[in-house]
Amino acid sequence: QKEVEQNSGPLSVPEGAIASLNCTYSDRGSQSFFWYRQYSGKSPELIMSIYSNGDKEDGRFTAQLNKASQYVSLLIRDSQPSDSATYLCAAEYGNKLVFGAGTILRVKS
Amino acid sequence: SAVISQKPSRDICQRGTSLTIQCQVDSQVTMMFWYRQQPGQSLTLIATANQGSEATYESGFVIDKFPISRPNLTFSTLTVSNLSPEDSSIYLCSVDSTGSGNTIYFGEGSWLTVV
Repeated sequence: QKEVEQNSGPLSVPEGAIASLNCTYSDRGSQSFFWYRQYSGKSPELIMSIYSNGDKEDGRFTAQLNKASQYVSLLIRDSQPSDSATYLCAAEYGNKLVFGAGTILRVKS
Repeated sequence: SAVISQKPSRDICQRGTSLTIQCQVDSQVTMMFWYRQQPGQSLTLIATANQGSEATYESGFVIDKFPISRPNLTFSTLTVSNLSPEDSSIYLCSVDSTGSGNTIYFGEGSWLTVV
């Protein structure tokens, strides 16, 4: 059974702080990982993908992958109220995505 | 990224009826997928829509309940048959725009309420 685990939250951070979202996956066979943001009433929006161990940065977002620990994280620097959403972690298995349950992030101004 | 259009965006249907959802992509893509997101839940893959052949269904999903068509590389439909209130969900079309499983985008979704 291929699973992706996330803490459902909510994770509350003050405006300007760093939000840290975490995800673990069960199957070492996955090579690609994705972070999606989903606002209430909207479809998921791809934020970042990561395939190699280490960090990948894109603006205020940094994805981190540790394949030995089967761990993926997303850091959001200088968090803004507009970042308040559900963040979905997904692992790719053979061209299919398995999603975690999502972490609710609330950024308080 | 691919532009993915879904219709209808929302619908309210009577139990026992069927709803067909359309997904149109602005470019040819190899892989098209249909997901379901039940209220308060994450996304679950229903099936992979294969061009020119039958869809590949995930465990727990069957063709009689979720028939899928994929007549060409830019279009697919998902039908949800014999609707019950438990089918009230968001149905999402997604595409792998690179063909390598590395870049997967979603349509706007179709919000279905069954009464």
